[in-house]
Amino acid sequence: EVQLLESGGGLVQPGGSLRLSCAASGFTFSSYGMHWVRQAPGEGLEWVSGVVGGGGNSYYADSVKGRFTISRDDSKNTLYLQMSSLRVDDTAIYYCAKGRGITGTPSRTLDFWGQGTLVTVSS
Amino acid sequence: DIQMTQSPSALSASVGDRVTITCRASQTINTYLNWYQQKPGKAPELLIYVASTLQSGVPSRFSGSGSGTDFTLTISSLQPEDFATYYCQQNYNTPLTFGGGTKVEI
Repeated sequence: EVQLLESGGGLVQPGGSLRLSCAASGFTFSSYGMHWVRQAPGEGLEWVSGVVGGGGNSYYADSVKGRFTISRDDSKNTLYLQMSSLRVDDTAIYYCAKGRGITGTPSRTLDFWGQGTLVTVSS
Repeated sequence: DIQMTQSPSALSASVGDRVTITCRASQTINTYLNWYQQKPGKAPELLIYVASTLQSGVPSRFSGSGSGTDFTLTISSLQPEDFATYYCQQNYNTPLTFGGGTKVEI
């Protein structure tokens, strides 16, 4: 059974930093693209970042480029999102999601999602 | 970036109704279109990928169609558990983009 468990969310002041983690199990982690998607309170879904399987390329939304860094540790089956220079409008539930494939278009279909971790940016 | 536009943004329907939600892409995306269902307080779940392929375990009352720029999600006979918000998403290229969502109220 695929499981994705996010952690690391919390309250942080504007300009601060936070690192989210996503512990994966139930599948061969290194063989799949992985993503972060966020949802502000009462709003829709916004893709944040993705990384292909096998430690390849990573991609970012313009709204977080230069501030957020996605990484993966295939030896620990864990996905990370390092967030810095946080802004009030980064407040959201952050979901970790698994791609259907290692790279290309299948890797950009999100077939399993974690339950999310809440990040609140406020003074 | 590819813009995804869903309509309607909300609808009210009764159990047994046939429900149709549309999604339009700002440029052609072939059939690289996915549909997700999100229930209140829960994470989204994949319903349909590549425009018309049902994800494992999804009831057959859900179906998808379309290609190019225009897509449709149909629920053939609405059930009480289908109360949810539905999102389309293009996986043609990055940045991945979602439609604004359609809230289905029973």
